Amino acid sequence: GDSVTQMEGPVTLSEEAFLTINCTYTATGYPSLFWYVQYPGEGLQLLLKATKADDKGSNKGFEATYRKETTSFHLEKGSVQVSDSAVYFCALRPGYALNFGKGTSLLVTP
Amino acid sequence: DADVTQTPRNRITKTGKRIMLECSQTKGHDRMYWYRQDPGLGLRLIYYSFDVKDINKGEISDGYSVSRQAQAKFSLSLESAIPNQTALYFCATSDSVGGAYNEQFFGPGTRLTVL
Repeated sequence: GDSVTQMEGPVTLSEEAFLTINCTYTATGYPSLFWYVQYPGEGLQLLLKATKADDKGSNKGFEATYRKETTSFHLEKGSVQVSDSAVYFCALRPGYALNFGKGTSLLVTP
Repeated sequence: DADVTQTPRNRITKTGKRIMLECSQTKGHDRMYWYRQDPGLGLRLIYYSFDVKDINKGEISDGYSVSRQAQAKFSLSLESAIPNQTALYFCATSDSVGGAYNEQFFGPGTRLTVL
């Protein structure tokens, strides 16, 4: 079935470092792709999304591009902040619900 | 006030007990979902409902049941709780307008521990 694989964490970075979290997907059709973020003690929030190939989603300095040729949707941010410490989930939506990756924990230190 | 609320936020129970987790939303969405989150496994879909009369099983529905009492309320029940149902449970909602691309909005979660 349709699924996503994302890099395992935890990822620890210093403030202002560059962030990449890898996500690849397997799908029979053309699903929408999402990044969700979960801050400590909270539910998931949509960070960004892309609905077709070559679309770039962006929000709060984070970006991800829907790459059909490499079946990827890597999350990037040029300069992370301590407040970005959270768990990040890549997800795809082939139809009615979301299929999530296992999550990548990010810790940003001052 | 939060758009998607879950009660209780934390619950500890014993094996064999019946447990109900409740979800309410004020977003006016017609679609609601229940997921469970386990460390290292991400979120997995338990049940989903497209409207009051349309309820469907998800990936891991065994041992669970649901009730859609109204458009705004969607409850998850564990008829006889077992320890491997210890997890963080999330309710989510989405609007059907616009099709499959719509954002899902998540509640804060219920942490359930079954002893």
